[in-house]
Amino acid sequence: DAGVIQSPRHEVTEMGQEVTLRCKPISGHDYLFWYRQTMMRGLELLIYFNNNVPIDDSGMPEDRFSAKMPNASFSTLKIQPSEPRDSAVYFCASSPQTGFTYEQYFGPGTRLTVT
Amino acid sequence: GEDVEQSLFLSVREGDSSVINCTYTDSSSTYLYWYKQEPGAGLQLLTYIFSNMDMKQDQRLTVLLNKKDKHLSLRIADTQTGDSAIYFCAENPGGYNKLIFGAGTRLAVHP
Repeated sequence: DAGVIQSPRHEVTEMGQEVTLRCKPISGHDYLFWYRQTMMRGLELLIYFNNNVPIDDSGMPEDRFSAKMPNASFSTLKIQPSEPRDSAVYFCASSPQTGFTYEQYFGPGTRLTVT
Repeated sequence: GEDVEQSLFLSVREGDSSVINCTYTDSSSTYLYWYKQEPGAGLQLLTYIFSNMDMKQDQRLTVLLNKKDKHLSLRIADTQTGDSAIYFCAENPGGYNKLIFGAGTRLAVHP
């Protein structure tokens, strides 16, 4: 299995621009998570989906952030407009429903820099 | 509330044992986890322990769980330079799929 795939790996953009991060979960996994990691705040859960349906978006910072999962093999996290304080590493993770151990498999992350 | 706390930094000599500690708050968590993050990479699941166990051993790794004190530890025997990384403790409050992570402990291994 290829693991969780994220693109792009690095993104540099100017303040005010729209940014779209992409994620392909592991095939057969029912859960998909978006996290943000910064030095100041550590690892924060932004939103997660179960069977393509958003379950908990309480971690989404504000209306500038939106996430979609149109099908079982693809999800996007969009920031519009972007701000310098959005600079962080964004991780996508997926998890199978079976087994009840709830282990999550992380992608390599997208490092976002907003100037 | 949900909170997982870890010390931020640990330095050990190569060949010694490392012990990374963690405290969590939610007694309803069914599993406790240890994840490892190497530079420039995502988190990788190292091991987990079911909440009704008090110890789990996996090769060089030993996990101890004190449920009464809500204390979790990870012991790495014969620590190697390749073990240098950030180690995250996590719980799953309510026994659900959502994990709460600690801030991570940076382990530095020196010769």
